[in-house]
Amino acid sequence: DAGVTQSPTHLIKTRGQQVTLRCSPISGHKSVSWYQQVLGQGPQFIFQYYEKEERGRGNFPDRFSARQFPNYSSELNVNALLLGDSALYLCASSLVLSYEQYFGPGTRLTVT
Amino acid sequence: GQQVMQIPQYQHVQEGEDFTTYCNSSTTLSNIQWYKQRPGGHPVFLIQLVKSGEVKKQKRLTFQFGEAKKNSSLHITATQTTDVGTYFCAGGWNQFYFGTGTSLTVIP
Repeated sequence: DAGVTQSPTHLIKTRGQQVTLRCSPISGHKSVSWYQQVLGQGPQFIFQYYEKEERGRGNFPDRFSARQFPNYSSELNVNALLLGDSALYLCASSLVLSYEQYFGPGTRLTVT
Repeated sequence: GQQVMQIPQYQHVQEGEDFTTYCNSSTTLSNIQWYKQRPGGHPVFLIQLVKSGEVKKQKRLTFQFGEAKKNSSLHITATQTTDVGTYFCAGGWNQFYFGTGTSLTVIP
């Protein structure tokens, strides 16, 4: 079975630009969560979606938004990029809310 | 906001020695999960604890959830080089908080 997939793998953007990251969960998983991981730190929770509805939001500015589609895939959008947004963005899927999470390989975003 | 701290931040052990990492939350957790992240990799789920005082074992790994559901620990017996990585605890419900992590180095 395919695991969680994310695209793109790497991305380089300029300050002020916008970026969209994509995630496909494991088949049958209805919950998707997004995390930001800065080098040397633990993942920071951004959003959690379940059955296409936002069920949780972390302490991130409104520049960050996300959505979940009918096929349970998800997109994370970040507007007006700042240098501090440079990080590894991880997507995780689970069968239901707060169950064991399976992480994708992440998207490495570099903002210059 | 909720904080989840782990100690120690780093641990170097000789192969064969035991290792323990402790996780402490500022608030009560509905559940606690443990993940392992290898260098350059992504977090991999190890286990979930739900009940107060729960203890679970996976081969050389022993996981505990505190009675007050605010702390947890992971103990590895007789470490091996394959145990190298950063171990994170995480908890929450509709908001999920990861701990600060403990980076384990095993010296052959």
